[in-house]
Formats: sequence, C-alpha cells, structure tokens
Amino acid sequence: ETGVTQTPRHLVMGMTNKKSLKCEQHLGHNAMYWYKQSAKKPLELMFVYSLEERVENNSVPSRFSPECPNSSHLFLHLHTLQPEDSALYLCASSQIGGAGELFFGEGSRLTVL
Amino acid sequence: QKEVEQNSGPLSVPEGAIASLNCTYSDRVSQSFFWYRQYSGKSPELIMSIYSNGDKEDGRFTAQLNKASQYVSLLIRDSQPSDSATYLCAVDSGNTPLVFGKGTRLSVIA
Repeated sequence: ETGVTQTPRHLVMGMTNKKSLKCEQHLGHNAMYWYKQSAKKPLELMFVYSLEERVENNSVPSRFSPECPNSSHLFLHLHTLQPEDSALYLCASSQIGGAGELFFGEGSRLTVL
Repeated sequence: QKEVEQNSGPLSVPEGAIASLNCTYSDRVSQSFFWYRQYSGKSPELIMSIYSNGDKEDGRFTAQLNKASQYVSLLIRDSQPSDSATYLCAVDSGNTPLVFGKGTRLSVIA
C-alpha cells in the first residue's frame, strides 16, 4: 500500500453512538493531521501530531478524541456527536522540516443523524 | 488570525483558454505557498508549490508569487474539462500548520 489510507470511507452514526476513524500513512512521515471539511468553509485543522505527540488541538470539542499510537497510525474517536459534525474528515501526513507539503487520505464522510 | 482569501467562484472558462486563480494572505512572514486541486468527492492533491517571488512553471500550470503584495496566483494554460475542480490555496508561515483558503471552483466548458 502507498500513500495515506483512511477507513471507513463512509460512516453514518446516531448521536449516541461511539465510532472511530482510522488513518494509516506509508510515506515514512513523522507528522499527522486531522482536518474537517464542511461545505463552503476552509479546511479546518483539528489536531496535529508530531513525532507521536499532540502539538496542536485547535479548540476542538471533547467529543472528538484523537489517538496516535505510532508515527504511521492516527485515530479519531467519536462519541455523542451532533448533526453539525457531519462533514468530510481528512487525514494528512507530512515530514517535519520538509517543504510543508501535506499528503491527504481520501477522507471519511461522516453523517450524524 | 492568519487568513487566506480566495474567490469561491465558480470561475467558468472555455476549453483552451487560460484560467487565472488568485489568492491573498494576511501573514507577512509566510514562506511557502501551495496550490491543491480537489475533485468533487475526492481529497486535495498538491499540484504546485512556490517559495520565492516570481513565476514557477510546471507543464500547463504556472504559479506566481508576489510577497510584497501578499498574493499568489495559479495560471492554467490550455484549460481542459478535466481541470474542472476546486483549487485550494495554502500558506505556510514556517512554525504553524498550513492555512487553507476556502477554494475556488473552476469549471472548464467544452
């Protein structure tokens, strides 16, 4: 496998469910990111992990909980979400000290009923 | 608050024409600039990066940077229907993650 892979690609959940999004990168990068993309809004940075440590939490509600067990894997745990959390969640990776390019996964389309 | 501004469009151009996409940014210390293309239902993919003032050409794409005026643009020559997508401008200030604009939707009409 190459690049950045995300699972599941589509997820429908109720407001009381608990689910997780998974991201895996095969690029040897040492930084990973979660972004939220909603219609007519810029990409919103949620979390940044650098060398497996969280370095940024962009005022994200606690119903979103990230986990980075190693430099290749990133999870986003979801619980008691709201309908306005419905969006495309994108994982990305980059190399610290590199030129700043981000490499994105295909995204997980989340619908909260 | 660091901001990146783009006209949301849609920008419609006929096939074969030049498409011009513009982006302005607020942080004067920004160092690196990127253009991402995002097809409908897909994730963004990097198509151009530029780091110094002037033009950078790659095939039909030319990125232009003017740090004094704080703008970066993307020109697409000989536009094709396959270029129809949303183009995201992203700016890197060196010590923070990339800041993205809302994107400009381009439609190339055959």
